[in-house]
Amino acid sequence: NAGVTQTPKFRVLKTGQSMTLLCAQDMNHEYMYWYRQDPGMGLRLIHYSVGEGTTAKGEVPDGYNVSRLKKQNFLLGLESAAPSQTSVYFCASSLAGDDTQYFGPGTRLTVL
Amino acid sequence: AQSVTQPDIHITVSEGASLELRCNYSYGATPYLFWYVQSPGQGLQLLLKYFSGDTLVQGIKGFEAEFKRSQSSFNLRKPSVHWSDAAEYFCAVGRANFGNEKLTFGTGTRLTIIP
Repeated sequence: NAGVTQTPKFRVLKTGQSMTLLCAQDMNHEYMYWYRQDPGMGLRLIHYSVGEGTTAKGEVPDGYNVSRLKKQNFLLGLESAAPSQTSVYFCASSLAGDDTQYFGPGTRLTVL
Repeated sequence: AQSVTQPDIHITVSEGASLELRCNYSYGATPYLFWYVQSPGQGLQLLLKYFSGDTLVQGIKGFEAEFKRSQSSFNLRKPSVHWSDAAEYFCAVGRANFGNEKLTFGTGTRLTIIP
């Protein structure tokens, strides 16, 4: 049981490049989340999903897109990366009806 | 809108001393409250949570927290810290009765332990 895993762990992009971050969970959780963590700002919710095929915007969704084609996977896409998207990205998941979120180890993204 | 304030950005404590990390929340109804810990380079791990009932909540690693509605606080405590407790601690508030898709996190408190 690996819990929540994230791929890749580190990435450096140039401005304007695109990339996809993958989150996978093997706990059969219904809910999945993408957060970004910036110094002095805590974690901010980007997008979330309450089930396969459904997604919703969080607090800071601009510049990001997501997809949940399979229950166990939640993808975060950056179509045209900007330096302001330099951050550490965390994925989390939870069971419906249980407010405990389980976090992945994070992806450190640098946009030059 | 819900919000969480952690007034202490950085706290330094001697090993073996007691610890209290402060958390104040703003929420219009009954909140769900959480404390998470993040070790360097790691994801967040749940320490404890409060939903209802007993206002003193016990968590893992010897931590506890007390919900005080009158003060809108959910402070985290530990009677005797260990060097391994050095980490960043996040308080979070969620919406009761609406599921957990709207957790709001505080900005975190970094804990340093000195010998």
